[in-house]
Amino acid sequence: ETGVTQSPTHLIKTRGQQVTLRCSSQSGHNTVSWYQQALGQGPQFIFQYYREEENGRGNFPPRFSGLQFPNYSSELNVNALELDDSALYLCASTLRLAGATYNEQFFGPGTRLTVL
Amino acid sequence: AQSVTQPDIHITVSEGASLELRCNYSYGATPYLFWYVQSPGQGLQLLLKYFSGDTLVQGIKGFEAEFKRSQSSFNLRKPSVHWSDAAEYFCAVARIKAAGNKLTFGGGTRVLVKP
Repeated sequence: ETGVTQSPTHLIKTRGQQVTLRCSSQSGHNTVSWYQQALGQGPQFIFQYYREEENGRGNFPPRFSGLQFPNYSSELNVNALELDDSALYLCASTLRLAGATYNEQFFGPGTRLTVL
Repeated sequence: AQSVTQPDIHITVSEGASLELRCNYSYGATPYLFWYVQSPGQGLQLLLKYFSGDTLVQGIKGFEAEFKRSQSSFNLRKPSVHWSDAAEYFCAVARIKAAGNKLTFGGGTRVLVKP
């Protein structure tokens, strides 16, 4: 139990629609990362938010966007859904400390998105 | 760019037998290396990590891993597997920079445990 929650658990959308996935970080964590895990593959980094600003992005198009809120929650938005967007979406929260070389990421259980 | 390769997609092992999962990485500097486990319907749980120092690291649930720089490997081992170890295992490398710690994962190894 990491204290990171995600909603919804499962979601079904059709191609072309938009979707919002939500993540609630551990209390006090100032950083959230989002990963996409396609079936049979390892997670891939989408982007990271630190103190409500995007702080690093993987190889994902602009139709993947995010928000981080002051209350430690965050959202992942995907516009113009494509079939290949079907995946498990994981968020990970971190307390990023100044001077630390690494800050551990705590993962939520994920949201399973199916695009038909 | 860093990358992680897990050569074995599936491994089947008998309960009580030993387990070794392979991981090879490509990274331009000293890597920060991790092993995670993912059970069905669960998120990723950190088993162990290597940053520096002793190349044999101990983790939770009786797992250990050995860092071998010369082979660019970070293999995970467990001397005696339990049925509850059936899961998917991911090796990952972190790029350490002030802007954050993005994890790059391998493709995973699914472990099946026979009674």
